[in-house]
Amino acid sequence: AQSVAQPEDQVNVAEGNPLTVKCTYSVSGNPYLFWYVQYPNRGLQFLLKYITGDNLVKGSYGFEAEFNKSQTSFHLKKPSALVSDSALYFCAVRDGITSGTYKYIFGTGTRLKVLA
Amino acid sequence: GAGVSQTPSNKVTEKGKYVELRCDPISGHTALYWYRQSLGQGPEFLIYFQGTGAADDSGLPNDRFFAVRPEGSVSTLKIQRTERGDSAVYLCASSLGQGEAFFGQGTRLTVV
Repeated sequence: AQSVAQPEDQVNVAEGNPLTVKCTYSVSGNPYLFWYVQYPNRGLQFLLKYITGDNLVKGSYGFEAEFNKSQTSFHLKKPSALVSDSALYFCAVRDGITSGTYKYIFGTGTRLKVLA
Repeated sequence: GAGVSQTPSNKVTEKGKYVELRCDPISGHTALYWYRQSLGQGPEFLIYFQGTGAADDSGLPNDRFFAVRPEGSVSTLKIQRTERGDSAVYLCASSLGQGEAFFGQGTRLTVV
């Protein structure tokens, strides 16, 4: 069965510093990986995805993520954090090739707090 | 707008009542998903439609929950005999092909 782990409930970083939000996954086939962000009382907003190709993917608002197959990880990164990046971040995986279903499985979320 | 639309945005109902939550996906998106999100938790999968049929309903918690998508567009999530434990934000999403899902703003259901 597919699964996603976000080992950190909260990440604190100073404004201007680089940030990393961790995600590891488990699927039986090739993973489709996604990052979403959620602001208070809002729905989930798509940030970026890895389907195939380059291991480093770039997304919205200056975010990027690196797919590492050997470590089964897909960590979210940003070179310079902004206070406005403070939100709840979710990693998700999808495996439709072997399981036959295309549902997205989400992690438990990581709260990012950027300190001014 | 062109996004996923969910109505109502908020619903308060009494324990034991029946509720319907509506989702209007992005035009042309063949896949539609329902998720449930409790406070501080990640979205929990409920059901996935491909066209008009439920391709995967393994996340529905019990037979009080049912969803339909009769014409392959709008979907309704139906909850019978609501319980206080059903209180959550119900999220709908749609997607096209293998890419990302686009989410609506959610319906906050409160059962009192």
